[in-house]
Amino acid sequence: KNEVEQSPQNLTAQEGEFITINCSYSVGISALHWLQQHPGGGIVSLFMLSSGKKKHGRLIATINIQEKHSSLHITASHPRDSAVYICAVSYYGGSQGNLIFGKGTKLSVKP
Amino acid sequence: DVKVTQSSRYLVKRTGEKVFLECVQDMDHENMFWYRQDPGLGLRLIYFSYDVKMKEKGDIPEGYSVSREKKERFSLILESASTNQTSMYLCASSGRLGIGYTFGSGTRLTVV
Repeated sequence: KNEVEQSPQNLTAQEGEFITINCSYSVGISALHWLQQHPGGGIVSLFMLSSGKKKHGRLIATINIQEKHSSLHITASHPRDSAVYICAVSYYGGSQGNLIFGKGTKLSVKP
Repeated sequence: DVKVTQSSRYLVKRTGEKVFLECVQDMDHENMFWYRQDPGLGLRLIYFSYDVKMKEKGDIPEGYSVSREKKERFSLILESASTNQTSMYLCASSGRLGIGYTFGSGTRLTVV
C-alpha cells in the first residue's frame, strides 16, 4: 500500500489553463515536497512545506495538515510545464530526511 | 548555485562488470541518498548515509553497496552488474530533517 497517493495519474491541459494536482498521505509528516521531472531529466525540488501555502512564480503549493492533503497549482499553464510532478513526504519516525514518494502525475500542456 | 553532481549522464556496462556511480554535493549536507527510478515503480531508495562512513539500507539494497569516505561524496557500487539493474539512478542530498533536499541529474545505466 502506497502511503502517498497522487491524482490524477495523467493530465492533459490546454495552454493557459489552471492546473491542480493533488496529493494525499497517511502518515504523520515533518514536511512535504513537490518535485518536477522533465522527460529524460533529473529531478528539481519545487517546494518543501510543512504548513500553509508557498508561491513561486506561477506555481502555488498548499498543505492541510489536519486533512493530510496537499495541492500543487499551476496558473496560466505553458507547454514548458509539461513534466512529471512528484509528491514526497518526510515522515516522523523515518530516518533523517528519508522520503516516501508518490507515483507521480504526468502533465502534458498542449499549445 | 548549489549542486548535486553525478559523474555520468549515460553509462553502458556489460553483465558481470563492477560499476561505480559517483555523486558529489557542495552544500555540506549530512544526508545523501541513492535511488533508482523505473517506469510504474517510481523512486525506490537503495541506500542512504547520514554521516561519513555511515550507511543504511533502503528498500532495495540487494546487489548494491555504497561508500562514503568524505562528507561530500557518496558512491554507489554494483558488485556484479546484471540486466535487471538497467535503470535511472538518482543521487540526492539534504540537511538534517530533509532541509534543502536536492537531486542530481541522474545516470541512465544500461547493462547489456
